[in-house]
Amino acid sequence: DQQVKQNSPSLSVQEGRISILNCDYTNSMFDYFLWYKKYPAEGPTFLISISSIKDKNEDGRFTVFLNKSAKHLSLHIVPSQPGDSAVYFCAASPQGAQKLVFGQGTRLTINP
Amino acid sequence: DAGVIQSPRHEVTEMGQEVTLRCKPISGHNSLFWYRQTMMRGLELLIYFNNNVPIDDSGMPEDRFSAKMPNASFSTLKIQPSEPRDSAVYFCASSLTSAGVIISSYNSPLHFGNGTRLTVT
Repeated sequence: DQQVKQNSPSLSVQEGRISILNCDYTNSMFDYFLWYKKYPAEGPTFLISISSIKDKNEDGRFTVFLNKSAKHLSLHIVPSQPGDSAVYFCAASPQGAQKLVFGQGTRLTINP
Repeated sequence: DAGVIQSPRHEVTEMGQEVTLRCKPISGHNSLFWYRQTMMRGLELLIYFNNNVPIDDSGMPEDRFSAKMPNASFSTLKIQPSEPRDSAVYFCASSLTSAGVIISSYNSPLHFGNGTRLTVT
């Protein structure tokens, strides 16, 4: 039972264009959402987060959008750079809980 | 800050053997998590500890898996006996929690180690 789903295993984007990574969740108790980035042979590192009281959070080139009614969030990267090539994991946490539930990940490749 | 330290980085073993993965969390963090990464399921939470006490082990796949945290600076994940389907990358992560909630805002709520790649032949 996958509570957090990333339906696109991979995505390829031209350098300078916008990358959009999508994530869906099923548990309505989730109220905190995060994106992690992972390079090969390294652990995931935190990228950006959003609370359920917001619908958008921006940090430089990265913006996360949350649509609670659709139980959907997305990560926008603009402009995309070669160093953005990595696996991106979406994660969610229920209110008051310690643990994060992760999706399967999306491999983003930025082409020069 | 050295970050979360895992050992070994790679482990190759034969089916039926015992495997022990080790983790040293970030000093001062009071919660520790073991995750497993597979292609099909992404990052799955196996077990987590708060103040050295196991809180939720519902993700541990079978009785062959066990985890301990004898003190605040060390944890082990043991698989006995190991099977080929256990092959995956195992991550340890730590965080600082208060009143059962991960302290987070714009800080990283979970800090991951670099993982142990386990291959069971």
